[in-house]
Amino acid sequence: AIQMTQSPSSLSASVGDRVTITCRASQGIRNDLGWYQQKPGKAPELLIYAASTLQSGVPSRFSGSGSGSDFTLTIRSLQPEDFATYYCLQDYDYPWTFGQGTKVEIK
Amino acid sequence: QVQLQESGPGLVKPSETLSLTCSVSGDSISSHYWSWIRQPPGKGLEWIGYIQYSGTTNYIPSLKSRITISLDTPKNEVSLKLNSVTAADTAMYYCARVGRVRRVPSGDYYYYLDVWGKGTAVTVSS
Repeated sequence: AIQMTQSPSSLSASVGDRVTITCRASQGIRNDLGWYQQKPGKAPELLIYAASTLQSGVPSRFSGSGSGSDFTLTIRSLQPEDFATYYCLQDYDYPWTFGQGTKVEIK
Repeated sequence: QVQLQESGPGLVKPSETLSLTCSVSGDSISSHYWSWIRQPPGKGLEWIGYIQYSGTTNYIPSLKSRITISLDTPKNEVSLKLNSVTAADTAMYYCARVGRVRRVPSGDYYYYLDVWGKGTAVTVSS
């Protein structure tokens, strides 16, 4: 199975900060990658698919980039509602695999 | 508005079968693929399988001998059965709709989980 490694595992940031989360695949996955946000006690929500396509209704401060094996999720100006855990998911090959998650906490 | 609602027993005994249902409203299960994902307490997400509207399935290898995902079209429900459960199967179980967009020019698809249920917690314990 393709391994997805996210970094960092957690980070502390302030409202207004620019935040970058990376996801590295153990092999090339084209751009078959999505990003999901999960708040405590809630189901995950889709933010981005195909590495860089913003899901309808998701604020434009979220963006994704990358191709091959290295991917990035950027939050341009962190808002209070963005404190959550973020996961990448590859859909290039079965089984689909998630990264271990990145928890974004308030500094 | 598409809504998914998972249901099932919150407590299952070891070695028994876990049976969950995902009731779909606002959409036909015959129009999409459907996936199950689980999350052990305090841990990350694990994709465990999906079913296409044709009934074709794809499962995570570690569960392949124990898992069945099926469709009940008249009821518009997606089911998950997991046999011979152990404490390691204790988790929040989510169902999700699989969205897909055709890739140009190859014609294959990008897949993503665009609608999720709230999840149902399952504990395996005697």
